[in-house]
Amino acid sequence: ETGVTQTPRHLVMGMTNKKSLKCEQHLGHNAMYWYKQSAKKPLELMFVYNFKEQTENNSVPSRFSPECPNSSHLFLHLHTLQPEDSALYLCASSHLERSYEQYFGPGTRLTVT
Amino acid sequence: DAKTTQPTSMDCAEGRAANLPCNHSTISGNEYVYWYRQIHSQGPQYIIHGLKNNETNEMASLIITEDRKSSTLILPHATLRDTAVYYCIDYNDYKLSFGAGTTVTVRA
Repeated sequence: ETGVTQTPRHLVMGMTNKKSLKCEQHLGHNAMYWYKQSAKKPLELMFVYNFKEQTENNSVPSRFSPECPNSSHLFLHLHTLQPEDSALYLCASSHLERSYEQYFGPGTRLTVT
Repeated sequence: DAKTTQPTSMDCAEGRAANLPCNHSTISGNEYVYWYRQIHSQGPQYIIHGLKNNETNEMASLIITEDRKSSTLILPHATLRDTAVYYCIDYNDYKLSFGAGTTVTVRA
């Protein structure tokens, strides 16, 4: 247990569906992150939130829409995804001043059919 | 930016020390070296970081060469649970850049 939880753990969705991934951290951190891990590829940073403000959007397509209502919760809203978006989506959190030490959740395994 | 290179894979015997090398020949004077690992079906886990002095914590030791162009992560007594992908990380501007890492398999 890292103190970062993600739901659901597995998700299968069609290309026309809309779904959301949820992340919650119980560590008192003030920065949160979304990463994508595709098969055979390194982890890719998608979004960064510091104090609920988005500070990084790493050229992510608009079919991925993040939301950070408070410093403990992070969502990733998904719509009209493509099969190549199938991947493991990982959430992480950290103290802003120690952002090199990130705590990761177990991830959501997403399959787009 | 510090670009890192690591061997693709390595095996280690249970109970022995595992020495994981990383080259970061373009590292600048104020850039730290960071290590993470990812056990199968889990998210990455922070291990240790250092600048130029050797560092040790409850998980591992980090040895950085004097010229800072390479480092070695040491797992002193590897266990089967240490089987994972180990990443030598490039960190810049609040962003961790993961490469392919080294797949370490600890064998009984």
